[in-house]
Amino acid sequence: NAGVTQTPKFRILKIGQSMTLQCTQDMNHNYMYWYRQDPGMGLKLIYYSVGAGITDKGEVPNGYNVSRSTTEDFPLRLELAAPSQTSVYFCASTLSTDTQYFGPGTRLTVL
Amino acid sequence: QQQVKQSPQSLIVQKGGIPIINCAYENTAFDYFPWYQQFPGKGPALLIAIRPDVSEKKEGRFTISFNKSAKQFSLHIMDSQPGDSATYFCAAVSGGYNKLIFGAGTRLAVHP
Repeated sequence: NAGVTQTPKFRILKIGQSMTLQCTQDMNHNYMYWYRQDPGMGLKLIYYSVGAGITDKGEVPNGYNVSRSTTEDFPLRLELAAPSQTSVYFCASTLSTDTQYFGPGTRLTVL
Repeated sequence: QQQVKQSPQSLIVQKGGIPIINCAYENTAFDYFPWYQQFPGKGPALLIAIRPDVSEKKEGRFTISFNKSAKQFSLHIMDSQPGDSATYFCAAVSGGYNKLIFGAGTRLAVHP
């Protein structure tokens, strides 16, 4: 099993550009999550999904969108990138149990 | 407003020392308290976790102490090693869907 994979690893965006961060898991987990990690701030939940077709907002959803058309994939969309979205983004998944499994992260810089 | 407060921000110990990281919470609805370990350039990984009906849990060199009345919990690393150098996050889960609320993290350095 590859676990949770994320692409790209790094990305630089200009203000106003859009992009999609990809997340895929091969563990047949029903719950998936997107977090952002800022220095000294811990991780904050952006969006989560409890199954295909079901998504909901977390603590910091503004400026982001998600979709969940399959069990495996949970992409995160940034429509109009802003400098405040410079961060490291982590995707995680779990099978309705307590342990969340995290991907390696995507480091995004918005200039 | 941080729902889970973690201290210290950084910690330096010598090999063999016992670093202690503390967390406090306000929301009594939290019912699961995991600790995650993160190495540079990697995602966090579950280290150890505890539920509020238990006062202590040990897994190898890692121990969680939990004080329900004080709404505090802490991580102790026995006989710390340079390989333990990482950032440690406490977290809390409330209700369904296992949504994690993280503390701000503690950067631990264990010197040889």
